[in-house]
Amino acid sequence: DVKVTQSSRYLVKRTGEKVFLECVQDMDHENMFWYRQDPGLGLRLIYFSYDVKMKEKGDIPEGYSVSREKKERFSLILESASTNQTSMYLCASSLLKVRNEQFFGPGTRLTVL
Amino acid sequence: GENVEQHPSTLSVQEGDSAVIKCTYSDSASNYFPWYKQELGKRPQLIIDIRSNVGEKKDQRIAVTLNKTAKHFSLHITETQPEDSAVYFCAASDNQGGKLIFGQGTELSVKP
Repeated sequence: DVKVTQSSRYLVKRTGEKVFLECVQDMDHENMFWYRQDPGLGLRLIYFSYDVKMKEKGDIPEGYSVSREKKERFSLILESASTNQTSMYLCASSLLKVRNEQFFGPGTRLTVL
Repeated sequence: GENVEQHPSTLSVQEGDSAVIKCTYSDSASNYFPWYKQELGKRPQLIIDIRSNVGEKKDQRIAVTLNKTAKHFSLHITETQPEDSAVYFCAASDNQGGKLIFGQGTELSVKP
């Protein structure tokens, strides 16, 4: 079974703080993705990565950065958290060019006060 | 870039009825269309997908249809059960490394 884990289920931070969200997958997947989920807006892609040290902007990258130093780990960084970044953050991974099925982590509910 | 629109945003049916959720996409290069189900408090999971070389695919009570000319695809659930209650997301991809563009989601409620 593919397992995708995220470092926290719930996180509360203050405006202006630097926030790190970690995602780890154990199935040697090349692709990793970060989404945010908001009611009525679906899953919006923030950043994705096809390989170590590689990253691509998604649809809403502003205010975020990512890091992929190892194949199994993909980190989302909020350089200076703002209240409009309060959301559910979902990480996903997939095997390159095979079926495209994405396997999701359990999500991190981030609240920025 | 690709844009996926999903309707309706909420859908309530009686147990045993059918449910249909529709999506449209904008990029004619898209050729892979999955559907994910997210139960309350859980992660999204793939339930069915279709590629552009077929028009319909079935898996027990769920089916997906694709109309490439009109750029729309639909999820059909027959004989709905309370455990079908969830948020359903459609998505589209042009197979460029597995990137998916998701629709806005449909909250399906099946009433016993």
